[in-house]
Amino acid sequence: KAGVTQTPRYLIKTRGQQVTLSCSPISGHRSVSWYQQTPGQGLQFLFEYFSETQRNKGNFPGRFSGRQFSNSRSEMNVSTLELGDSALYLCASSLEGGSVGETQYFGPGTRLLVL
Amino acid sequence: AQSVTQLDSQVPVFEEAPVELRCNYSSSVSVYLFWYVQYPNQGLQLLLKYLSGSTLVKGINGFEAEFNKSQTSFHLRKPSVHISDTAEYFCAVSEAGGSYIPTFGRGTSLIVHP
Repeated sequence: KAGVTQTPRYLIKTRGQQVTLSCSPISGHRSVSWYQQTPGQGLQFLFEYFSETQRNKGNFPGRFSGRQFSNSRSEMNVSTLELGDSALYLCASSLEGGSVGETQYFGPGTRLLVL
Repeated sequence: AQSVTQLDSQVPVFEEAPVELRCNYSSSVSVYLFWYVQYPNQGLQLLLKYLSGSTLVKGINGFEAEFNKSQTSFHLRKPSVHISDTAEYFCAVSEAGGSYIPTFGRGTSLIVHP
């Protein structure tokens, strides 16, 4: 079974631009979560989608948004990029989400550099 | 709200030596605990998790962890490490009855020397 895939793997943008990252979950998984990983803040939860609906949201500004399609693929968008948005963005999928015992499977991440 | 503290940011160790990576958590309710590993340029992979039952949890790659409720700890151990264990290790906690989204520690970099 193929794992979680994320595209692109690397991205360079300039301040003020916007960016869209894509995540394809493991086949059959319906929950997709997004995390931001930085050396300073560590791993921080952005949001989680289930059945095309945002079910949980972390403490990030409205510049960060996402969506999920009917095939469970998800995209996240960051508008008006700031230098501090440089990070590794990780996507994780699970079967249903909503259950603390359920394992999340992570993709390799998209490394975003904002200049 | 729960929080996780990984007491060591970096742990150097020689190959075939034992290792312990420390994790303490803070929560007012029952918790579920996880250890993840992140190899260079890769995402996180679940090593093991504690949900209930036996406090000694065995995971993949020869790792194990022990849940200590009185000390609010969930330390990760391996009796003999390999060069290939060099990676970043993350402890995470979820609160029972709350959002299942885990809170992660800042990570511990395990560096195995030959």
